[in-house]
Amino acid sequence: GAGVSQSPSNKVTEKGKDVELRCDPISGHTALYWYRQSLGQGLEFLIYFQGNSAPDKSGLPSDRFSAERTGGSVSTLTIQRTQQEDSAVYLCASSPKRSGRVDTHTQYFGPGTRLTVL
Amino acid sequence: GQNIDQPTEMTATEGAIVQINCTYQTSGFNGLFWYQQHAGEAPTFLSYNVLDGLEEKGRFSSFLSRSKGYSYLLLKELQMKDSASYLCAVTETSYDKVIFGPGTSLSVIP
Repeated sequence: GAGVSQSPSNKVTEKGKDVELRCDPISGHTALYWYRQSLGQGLEFLIYFQGNSAPDKSGLPSDRFSAERTGGSVSTLTIQRTQQEDSAVYLCASSPKRSGRVDTHTQYFGPGTRLTVL
Repeated sequence: GQNIDQPTEMTATEGAIVQINCTYQTSGFNGLFWYQQHAGEAPTFLSYNVLDGLEEKGRFSSFLSRSKGYSYLLLKELQMKDSASYLCAVTETSYDKVIFGPGTSLSVIP
């Protein structure tokens, strides 16, 4: 079946502009994560959606960052007034996440969106 | 809170065995995952451990000691294509989400 998809694959924007990054998770996956990865660095957790629960926003670096997940499926990460330090690869992952089954925490990653802020 | 540590870089020779360690401190451990990430690509799942002991999958094995907060990934018969970053990740019952370690960059040399 189809994997996690993200769009756009590349985004170049000017400092101060807003950007929207999209993630289409695997159908039926209840958990959705957003991460940020700078060159040569590890994964920085941003936000986590699980079913209909309130999202865990503890990783968002500032109030310029927000995300929503509509209908328990597609998610959009919005960065307002972009700064040069926002330049990174933004990765989305989804997992089936069934209660009592640790293996269902396995994450399936999309190809990422490379954001460059000039 | 949570803390996950891995060596930053490792180098090993083609055909050899390498062990990549991961130590963690979490408030409520649930399970531990290993992912592989080639340069410029997204991470892909390798293995997971819930109980103490060794899980073997072909050339890759993963070990867990819950009492010590310790895991390792063992790669046998190294191939050049194994050059990648290896990410350790922990799930916590209290936070109900997955936290990734900083990753270990493995270089396999001829």
